Amino acid sequence: EAEVAQSPRYKITEKSQAVAFWCDPISGHATLYWYRQILGQGPELLVQFQDESVVDDSQLPKDRFSAERLKGVDSTLKIQPAELGDSAMYLCASSHGTGGEAFFGQGTRLTVV
Amino acid sequence: GDSVTQMEGPVTLSEEAFLTINCTYTATGYPSLFWYVQYPGEGLQLLLKATKADDKGSNKGFEATYRKETTSFHLEKGSVQVSDSAVYFCAMDSSYKLIFGSGTRLLVRP
Repeated sequence: EAEVAQSPRYKITEKSQAVAFWCDPISGHATLYWYRQILGQGPELLVQFQDESVVDDSQLPKDRFSAERLKGVDSTLKIQPAELGDSAMYLCASSHGTGGEAFFGQGTRLTVV
Repeated sequence: GDSVTQMEGPVTLSEEAFLTINCTYTATGYPSLFWYVQYPGEGLQLLLKATKADDKGSNKGFEATYRKETTSFHLEKGSVQVSDSAVYFCAMDSSYKLIFGSGTRLLVRP
């Protein structure tokens, strides 16, 4: 069964350092999402791609966060510099089209110390 | 703005008890509605969905009915098992993105 792959599973970094997460969506899925999930809360959308284009990044803190999906397949989310408040689970998801059912990866748990 | 509200947890039940987790939504249109489940240390998995009013989504003994008149999508299961212990998220499709509720933790005791 096809899955959304994310790496790393866990990351510990010191504040002010740079950190990056990688996501490989299910093959053929045009839409890719990055969500942030703070402990005890629901996922919050950070950025949404349709192929290689950003269609929604309204909740992405652009002073420190960046995301790219250069060839419309896999994607990287970067934080520079990391802050203590960035500690959370970062979830990647993909879907055939926009909206509707999304398939999630296992996430990257980030701890900033 | 569009939003999803679900009951706070944790919900603690004994095995074979009846489960209800309430979910209501606020939307300008008629969104698709979803329930996702998250087991410890894992990502979210789609549990069931409904795309229009009066639709009933079902999977693994769980059911939810899209009620337009009450803007609700409550999750039910007639007899829970220990293996159902997880966090359950209600979500809706708004402007081509998913909006999630805050989640409800379910703990089922043997």
